[in-house]
Amino acid sequence: DAMVIQNPRYQVTQFGKPVTLSCSQTLNHNVMYWYQQKSSQAPKLLFHYYDKDFNNEADTPDNFQSRRPNTSFCFLDIRSPGLGDAAMYLCATSRGPRGGGTLKGAFFGQGTRLTVV
Amino acid sequence: AQTVTQSQPEMSVQEAETVTLSCTYDTSESDYYLFWYKQPPSRQMILVIRQEAYKQQNATENRFSVNFQKAAKSFSLKISDSQLGDAAMYFCAYTTTDSWGKLQFGAGTQVVVTP
Repeated sequence: DAMVIQNPRYQVTQFGKPVTLSCSQTLNHNVMYWYQQKSSQAPKLLFHYYDKDFNNEADTPDNFQSRRPNTSFCFLDIRSPGLGDAAMYLCATSRGPRGGGTLKGAFFGQGTRLTVV
Repeated sequence: AQTVTQSQPEMSVQEAETVTLSCTYDTSESDYYLFWYKQPPSRQMILVIRQEAYKQQNATENRFSVNFQKAAKSFSLKISDSQLGDAAMYFCAYTTTDSWGKLQFGAGTQVVVTP
């Protein structure tokens, strides 16, 4: 089945120690997103890639970076995690206009729960 | 700026009954998309139903249907014949054709299903 896969499902990292979360997709969607969701809150968009073009949200801290080496993979790098970065991180994909068709919606992975100790 | 408002933090429904979740949004755009997502305890966001603003007909997916009132900027979700598996957090979301999938979410409504 075509899907969005996030690894790992659970990640524990030390305060200040760089951490990388990964996302892969078999949907061949040209747009990939990273959302942060804190407990009992709605997901908040951090940034997205439209093909190779990186689009940062204005209020995303510099501590968060992303890489997309190819269509299928996207990484979220947190350079110096703080206690406030503990959250669920959701990767999502969608088809953009250059991919043709109408917007069916964004399809999400299972998320990575990040704990900072 | 667009905002999405879900005014019901929690709704309770008995099995086999119907529950309606409300969502309102604020936008100056004429072309946009609205979605309902379900987030069960596993935390994976699952697309339940979508509505294109230019379509007047309300979307339906099995037991899930929406009441889309464009002029009132209202987008409610009706869950019919509720099942225990429907228990989850439900998020209303909005995006424009220009934003293309950059979803703006409401605060969510927790649906509790009782036997």
